[in-house]
Amino acid sequence: DTAVSQTPKYLVTQMGNDKSIKCEQNLGHDTMYWYKQDSKKFLKIMFSYNNKELIINETVPNRFSPKSPDKAHLNLHINSLELGDSAVYFCASSQSIGGGTEAFFGQGTRLTVV
Amino acid sequence: DQQVKQNSPSLSVQEGRISILNCDYTNSMFDYFLWYKKYPAEGPTFLISISSIKDKNEDGRFTVFLNKSAKHLSLHIVPSQPGDSAVYFCAARSGAGSYQLTFGKGTKLSVIP
Repeated sequence: DTAVSQTPKYLVTQMGNDKSIKCEQNLGHDTMYWYKQDSKKFLKIMFSYNNKELIINETVPNRFSPKSPDKAHLNLHINSLELGDSAVYFCASSQSIGGGTEAFFGQGTRLTVV
Repeated sequence: DQQVKQNSPSLSVQEGRISILNCDYTNSMFDYFLWYKKYPAEGPTFLISISSIKDKNEDGRFTVFLNKSAKHLSLHIVPSQPGDSAVYFCAARSGAGSYQLTFGKGTKLSVIP
């Protein structure tokens, strides 16, 4: 059973398009995240949601909009895609209370904007 | 400004020997440190962690050492196995209740049979 699953695994799209990446966790965690790994291999946090509420919103263009319909899902919508958005996007989850600090990551979505 | 630094992008070690991966940090507010392992085309997998109140944590072949005064931590793998070949990320949390992990750039470990 996959603990944190994100779809699609690969996404190739043209500049200007709008796309979504879905993420689901079956661990019962109350906090979910989106991280971006750029071409320089840095893993940087983009957003964090705790119990469906936005907790962290790093300096990310407002073309990126996370949506959390429930505690188990955190989807990432990206509007007007640009070449610089090409990266690997990782979803993750953790338990804020009573659990360890470690976050569990999905397998990543490699987004290529052409 | 990199708050978590892994200055060695790669490391090669013979099977059976010790692998030592290093990590330095600059933020004195970090209170919890983690190591993640990542295989190609997979997400990072949690490996081991250490609280800032400790200086050592051991789990099987993996040991993490923390030197707070030097703002340095290291991951020791002994004995190293070919399956340990992966990218290792050091990460840090800034205070209880913080939801954010700050990652280093990673060190690619190659264990040679």
